[in-house]
Amino acid sequence: DIVMTQTPLSSPVTLGQPASISCRSSQSLVHSDGNTYLSWLQQRPGQPPRLLIYKISNRFSGVPDRFSGSGAGTDFTLKISRVEAEDVGVYYCMQATQFPPTFGQGTKVEIK
Amino acid sequence: QVQLVQSGAEVKKPGASVKVSCKASGYTFTSYDINWVRQATGQGLEWMGWMNPNSGNTGYAQKFQGRVTMTRNTSISTAYMELSSLRSEDTAVYYCARGRPAPWVRGDDYGMDVWGQGTTVTVSS
Repeated sequence: DIVMTQTPLSSPVTLGQPASISCRSSQSLVHSDGNTYLSWLQQRPGQPPRLLIYKISNRFSGVPDRFSGSGAGTDFTLKISRVEAEDVGVYYCMQATQFPPTFGQGTKVEIK
Repeated sequence: QVQLVQSGAEVKKPGASVKVSCKASGYTFTSYDINWVRQATGQGLEWMGWMNPNSGNTGYAQKFQGRVTMTRNTSISTAYMELSSLRSEDTAVYYCARGRPAPWVRGDDYGMDVWGQGTTVTVSS
């Protein structure tokens, strides 16, 4: 199975300041069809996960543009340009390039 | 709107089975895979398996092979996940999530784009 490793595991951030989360995969996530199935999910306290970003950098419907994704191959990043109070939660990267899909351990974003 | 609504919380004894349902609305049920993901309290997300509601084909994580069964009833747009031989370590919130679209669906492959609200399964003697 592909192992997804996120850093940091915890990120205290000041409101209005940026935040960045790194995700590294144990193998390349480039699929034979040319796509890279790397997603980012947000899970607010007490809520189910919510899709933020798909295929590395595409924002899902309704996701604010302060969220952005980048990367290629085995190294990926989620950035929040200016953290707002509603962004508190745990963020997961997930790969669906290779069976079975696997998740990172999660990164907890909290306000300082 | 596109929605997945899951069945209510369950309490089971060790060795028993549990069957969780996931009712889809707002889209054509047979046009998207359904995934099942679980999360133990305070822990991360763990993928359990997927089902193609059109064909009934399934794929399970090795960890759950032999213990999990995913089925569907297309007449009521509902997917089911049954987990048997329950043990205390199976205590978790179980989620269904809409997955890959069928080849005939126009639009992009968003991955797991819509999630159910979760079903808490508690295994305790």
